[in-house]
Amino acid sequence: GQNIDQPTEMTATEGAIVQINCTYQTSGFNGLFWYQQHAGEAPTFLSYNVLDGLEEKGRFSSFLSRSKGYSYLLLKELQMKDSASYLCAVTGGGNKLTFGTGTQLKVEL
Amino acid sequence: DSGVTQTPKHLITATGQRVTLRCSPRSGDLSVYWYQQSLDQGLQFLIQYYNGEERAKGNILERFSAQQFPDLHSELNLSSLELGDSALYFCASSVATGLATSYNEQFFGPGTRLTVL
Repeated sequence: GQNIDQPTEMTATEGAIVQINCTYQTSGFNGLFWYQQHAGEAPTFLSYNVLDGLEEKGRFSSFLSRSKGYSYLLLKELQMKDSASYLCAVTGGGNKLTFGTGTQLKVEL
Repeated sequence: DSGVTQTPKHLITATGQRVTLRCSPRSGDLSVYWYQQSLDQGLQFLIQYYNGEERAKGNILERFSAQQFPDLHSELNLSSLELGDSALYFCASSVATGLATSYNEQFFGPGTRLTVL
């Protein structure tokens, strides 16, 4: 089976940097995804990691350590529109995605 | 806009009833996935179809069933509805070949909000 843990909520200030952690335990591992989801809307793809290390994409970066079963999503220069739920998801054997329960990020002035 | 369409957007029905949710994947995508998202459980994988065949099954109840048609659109059928079935149901699609693949970005539709009264 697969178990994914993320903090439930986080609060950060506009313009700041926030790191959202995700730990996972899986029976198979083919990669880790981060999705952003605004309330009532569809999840949208942010990043994908399959090898250890940091993947950078604009204001968003994602890190993976396979040996530690650990990933984080780093959001820089926070904007109010970044207030959303951030979902960590792991793909094991095949194409099935297992999602964590998500981290609700609130960006304040 | 992800290119995945779902209908209807909202559905209100009564306990014991049966409903059908519809999904059209992105052009060229062969795989369709169904997810249920309720307030207390997050996104739960239900089932995947690839090119008309069931490929993977998750926590899907026996009261629920799905199929993928030759034109690749998919339907999720929910029967004997209970209050606890109220949730957002998402469909996603990908270009997955059906084999184990290390990269499989899934594109999500806007969802169907089901309310069971």
